[in-house]
Amino acid sequence: TQLLEQSPQFLSIQEGENLTVYCNSSSVFSSLQWYRQEPGEGPVLLVTVVTGGEVKKLKRLTFQFGDARKDSSLHITAAQPGDTGLYLCAGARVTGRRALTFGSGTRLQVQP
Amino acid sequence: NAGVTQTPKFRILKIGQSMTLQCAQDMNHNYMYWYRQDPGMGLKLIYYSVGAGITDKGEVPNGYNVSRSTTEDFPLRLELAAPSQTSVYFCASSYWVTSTGELFFGEGSRLTVL
Repeated sequence: TQLLEQSPQFLSIQEGENLTVYCNSSSVFSSLQWYRQEPGEGPVLLVTVVTGGEVKKLKRLTFQFGDARKDSSLHITAAQPGDTGLYLCAGARVTGRRALTFGSGTRLQVQP
Repeated sequence: NAGVTQTPKFRILKIGQSMTLQCAQDMNHNYMYWYRQDPGMGLKLIYYSVGAGITDKGEVPNGYNVSRSTTEDFPLRLELAAPSQTSVYFCASSYWVTSTGELFFGEGSRLTVL
């Protein structure tokens, strides 16, 4: 059973299109992070959201943390081929071990 | 700063063999982690450590062992390798003071058990 469910699993779009990736859970998290992973490399942090309802922008990427801190979304505007990669959400539990629980990932391919 | 360094990058094992994946970090991070990533999946936590001499199990610890004798090193030992352990293994470290500890990952070690 995956604690964090990501959707969609795969996304292939044309350059210039917009897209949204979702990360959902029935559990509450104290914070949620988004990572991007390229082939042959480890994940790299994009953003951390902490407060329910928080919205953060990173150039063309917009991240939102749900009001109840159970879900998050990543929206990319005018996608570019350089956005291609595996996007992973990861949550820090309110109590218990200080380790992140990762979602199943969304593989994005942006065609030029 | 090298960050998090993992060795080896690739390894093929026969069923029943043992090996150790090495991990070292030079950022003076207190927390270190081992995750495995199966094809098309996210990362699952195997073991983690909150400091030298302290380790604890994650979601999928069976078939693995760890030790943390220094702040810098966190090796992962596979005993009696099985095909189910074919995966990419990632070591990560973090300076976890608040609830928002960013993980810094190594480049991964790809293990195949035949």
